[in-house]
Amino acid sequence: GQQLNQSPQSMFIQEGEDVSMNCTSSSIFNTWLWYKQDPGEGPVLLIALYKAGELTSNGRLTAQFGITRKDSFLNISASIPSDVGIYFCAGSPDLTGNQFYFGTGTSLTVIP
Amino acid sequence: KAGVTQTPRYLIKTRGQQVTLSCSPISGHRSVSWYQQTPGQGLQFLFEYFSETQRNKGNFPGRFSGRQFSNSRSEMNVSTLELGDSALYLCASSLSGWDTQYFGPGTRLTVL
Repeated sequence: GQQLNQSPQSMFIQEGEDVSMNCTSSSIFNTWLWYKQDPGEGPVLLIALYKAGELTSNGRLTAQFGITRKDSFLNISASIPSDVGIYFCAGSPDLTGNQFYFGTGTSLTVIP
Repeated sequence: KAGVTQTPRYLIKTRGQQVTLSCSPISGHRSVSWYQQTPGQGLQFLFEYFSETQRNKGNFPGRFSGRQFSNSRSEMNVSTLELGDSALYLCASSLSGWDTQYFGPGTRLTVL
């Protein structure tokens, strides 16, 4: 099946620092989604991207749909303790498909 | 608009039993996808239903089945439970299936 490589696997940062993570696929995607998941809860949608090159912000979060359509990036600026959690990327490879593939997640720890 | 709801939130079963999980999508959403999440395998796609029809299926044994009702609510059934079926089961709804997916809080299934 489709593989999504998400990196880094985990991050330990100081409060106030910026964070960057990315996701790459082996084939072209038409949609990229970024989620955050807290322990024991379902993933919560952060940002959705639908066009190559698209740059979208949601508060301190900014995500980009890579020009090659095979990657996406998520940045968090000025991190705060409540940013702690696991961040997942998800992508859908084609418009006729109806299946999303998920990255393995980036575990973020923010040290106050 | 109410989000995706899943019931029950927690379940404990023993090997060999069967279980039914329920998912109510966001009002107006016709697509419901089911995922299994475990620490070792991450998020894995089970199947997707749209307008009461299964459109896509992941690589899971036939013990995993589902259905969707005319009001878009969906159920997932697992028969002859195995220890390895212990996981967080998530459902996600979307308007058409390949657009943005919104997750429910999940059902935590423990098989003893």
